[in-house]
Amino acid sequence: NAGVTQTPKFQVLKTGQSMTLQCAQDMNHNSMYWYRQDPGMGLRLIYYSASEGTTDKGEVPDGYNVSRLKKQNFLLGLESAAPSQTSVYFCASSYSSEQSQYFGPGTRLTVL
Amino acid sequence: GQNIDQPTEMTATEGAIVQINCTYQTSGFNGLFWYQQHAGEAPTFLSYNVLDGLEEKGRFSSFLSRSKGYSYLLLKELQMKDSASYLCAVLDSNYQLIWGAGTKLIIKP
Repeated sequence: NAGVTQTPKFQVLKTGQSMTLQCAQDMNHNSMYWYRQDPGMGLRLIYYSASEGTTDKGEVPDGYNVSRLKKQNFLLGLESAAPSQTSVYFCASSYSSEQSQYFGPGTRLTVL
Repeated sequence: GQNIDQPTEMTATEGAIVQINCTYQTSGFNGLFWYQQHAGEAPTFLSYNVLDGLEEKGRFSSFLSRSKGYSYLLLKELQMKDSASYLCAVLDSNYQLIWGAGTKLIIKP
């Protein structure tokens, strides 16, 4: 059981570049989430997905897009990276929204 | 607005007891979670409270008072490996988790 995996672990982008962060879970969880974590701030929800094929905006969705075509995968896209998107990105999953969330190891993204 | 407050940093001695407080003001309440996060790692689940009272799990206990909007995490017999950030999170009326900024706990020998 790998749990929640994320790729890549580290990434450096130039302003304006695009990229996709990948997340996979093998626990048959229905719900998946993307967070960003910045120093001195709590985890902030970017997007979430309650089930395969559905996605909803969280607290800070601007500049991001997501895709949940398969139950086990949740992709986060940055269309045109900005320095304000420099952060650590965590993917998480849970069986339902009321259950505890399991987190991936994170992606450390720097936008120059 | 929704708000969760926890102390930024606390220091304790190995072998001692420490209590980390969390107060919240959220739109609705469907439970409170505590997570542990070691530096450079992902958060991991510690405890969940939805009813008032104390939940004990080994060296860790978590308390909830819904009427006061208050919770605490109690860590006993502190070990050096307990040095980490402790995150309080509340499940609001939309079943979304609202996170506190976390309390960095430093354990000294």
